[in-house]
Parts: sequence; C-alpha cells; structure tokens
Amino acid sequence: EVQLVQSGAEVKKPGESLKISCKTSGYDFTAYWISWVRQVPGKGLEWMGKIDLTDSFTMYNPSYEGHVSISADKSRTSAYLRWSSLKASDSAIYYCARHVHRGSASSASGFWGQGTLVTVSS
Amino acid sequence: IVLTQSPGTLSLSPGERATLSCRASQRVSSNYLAWYQQKPGQAPRLLIYVASSRATDIPGRFSGSGSGTEFTLTISRLEPEDFAVYYCQQYGTTPWTFGQGTKVEIK
Repeated sequence: EVQLVQSGAEVKKPGESLKISCKTSGYDFTAYWISWVRQVPGKGLEWMGKIDLTDSFTMYNPSYEGHVSISADKSRTSAYLRWSSLKASDSAIYYCARHVHRGSASSASGFWGQGTLVTVSS
Repeated sequence: IVLTQSPGTLSLSPGERATLSCRASQRVSSNYLAWYQQKPGQAPRLLIYVASSRATDIPGRFSGSGSGTEFTLTISRLEPEDFAVYYCQQYGTTPWTFGQGTKVEIK
C-alpha cells in the first residue's frame, strides 16, 4: 500500500527555520516524483515545486523559489520542505503528493500525505 | 496559466447531474489537466488526469472531458459523499496551477 506520512503540526516564530518531512512507503521511492502543495486553511491550492527522487533534481514555482528548499533522503525514503527564515505569511497547510506516473516529471498527483499545519506567529 | 473555475458554488440535490467548468488562460499542454476532490479536513483526492482518464478506484459517475482551454468535470448522479470542493489543475506548463475551486453543496 502506498503511504505518505507527514510530520506533525509546527508552531514557529518569524525568522525561525523549519524542515517538515514526508515519509513514504509501499513503492519504489526513486521511481516517482513528489510535489509539495500549499493551502491556507479555507482557501485554494498552490503548487510549490517538485523533486525527482532519482537525483534530487528540483523545480520550483517562481513564487516560492529562494524562500523554500525541497530535498530528499533515499535512505529514509523521505522528502522534505525547508525554510531558513519563516514569515507569518508562511502559515498554511503543506501537502506532499506523489506523482501518478512512473518516471514522469509531468504527472497528476495520485497519492497525498495528510498535510502538515505550519503556524508562524510572534 | 490561470485556471478559472465556474460556478463558484453549485447547489444540487442527490441524484442530480453536476457539471463543473475549468477554463485556462492559454492552451494546456498535452491536455495535462487533472481534477481533484477535497472534503473538509482531508487532503485532495485525484479523480481525473489527462483531462478524461479516471484515476484508480474512482467511480464511473465521474467523467472528464475537454481539450485546449476548456475542460469539464461531470458527476452523472450525485451521491451524498460527492458534496465537496473540486479543483482543476494544469500540470503541462510550470509553474503548475490550480483553479480556485467549485463547491458542490446540498440544495
């Protein structure tokens, strides 16, 4: 069974750093890209970027490039989303999502984590 | 690519047909257009990809159609569990984008 299990909710202050995780299981980790998607509670979905797990090649939405970093650890079959300096506007739910098609950079997201709520407040 | 979904809210009764629209500001490459369903407190669920292919385990009452800049999600007969928010997404051109969502509510 394909599973993506994300790390728990976080409460941080502006300027702090944060790394959230997406632990995968039930499939060949390097065979499918993973995307990260942001959602402010009660609002719509925004695609942030994606990572190729074969070589950790990443592509970002320009709206997020330079502010977040997507990475992965094959040994832990996990993907990560990291901020070096959080802002209050980063408060949102963050989802990791595995692509449907093997080896495809352009693919819909067929398996989703449960989401990680990040709250940034002074 | 900006995706505009209409209507914003659809008020229907169980058993009725739902037709949701997604219009793109430019052609969606390779018709890489997906539809997702999201219920409160849950992650999105993939329904349709490449405009008209149903995802695994998705009931046959869900169908997708369209090409280029105009796409439609049809739910042939609404079941109680279908009342939710639906999003379209284009994944043919980066940055990938989502529509703002259509809420299907019980009339």
